[in-house]
Amino acid sequence: GAVVSQHPSRVICKSGTSVKIECRSLDFQATTMFWYRQFPKQSLMLMATSNEGSKATYEQGVEKDKFLINHASLTLSTLTVTSAHPEDSSFYICSARFWGNTEAFFGQGTRLTVV
Amino acid sequence: KQEVTQIPAALSVPEGENLVLNCSFTDSAIYNLQWFRQDPGKGLTSLLLIQSSQREQTSGRLNASLDKSSGRSTLYIAASQPGDSATYLCAAKSRTSGTYKYIFGTGTRLKVLA
Repeated sequence: GAVVSQHPSRVICKSGTSVKIECRSLDFQATTMFWYRQFPKQSLMLMATSNEGSKATYEQGVEKDKFLINHASLTLSTLTVTSAHPEDSSFYICSARFWGNTEAFFGQGTRLTVV
Repeated sequence: KQEVTQIPAALSVPEGENLVLNCSFTDSAIYNLQWFRQDPGKGLTSLLLIQSSQREQTSGRLNASLDKSSGRSTLYIAASQPGDSATYLCAAKSRTSGTYKYIFGTGTRLKVLA
């Protein structure tokens, strides 16, 4: 089956610093990747959708200058949380799909804690 | 705008019971609906995917149905086990502004008691 690998699984960073999260499709070419955020005991909220080689499309209320998304290749997308604040602490999950497939494959998530 | 809700929000049942989790969506123009399981602090495990043209899918003790016209999907778990304890999420795939998106429900936290 299609595998999506997300790294790191956990990260702690200081307030004001930036942190990068990687999402890789290991055995398929991901034409589209999605980034989600999940606060404790809440569902997944879509942050942005990115197509390879294009700028990401952000959902309403998500700051594109704070959450930088790069999808420069068909196997890698990155989410950079810039100038992190404690309120950015959350669980971030990526998913990917390839052209012609209707199913989305999810990474294992990244627990970000900003102290 | 697609909205997905799940009822109940939490459920606690004794081992061996059959149970039904409900998922409702407001926009019936979906491409598929997918059920996931999420263990605490973990990512998502895909359970079942139902295409818009299908009525149900089965995998082991799990059966998911889809009724697009009424905007509903159900996940049936037979003979529940303590290992089934997790949060179950449904996600509807629909097209918005030219982009396919997966909108997740609020989740049902299931606890199966031994």
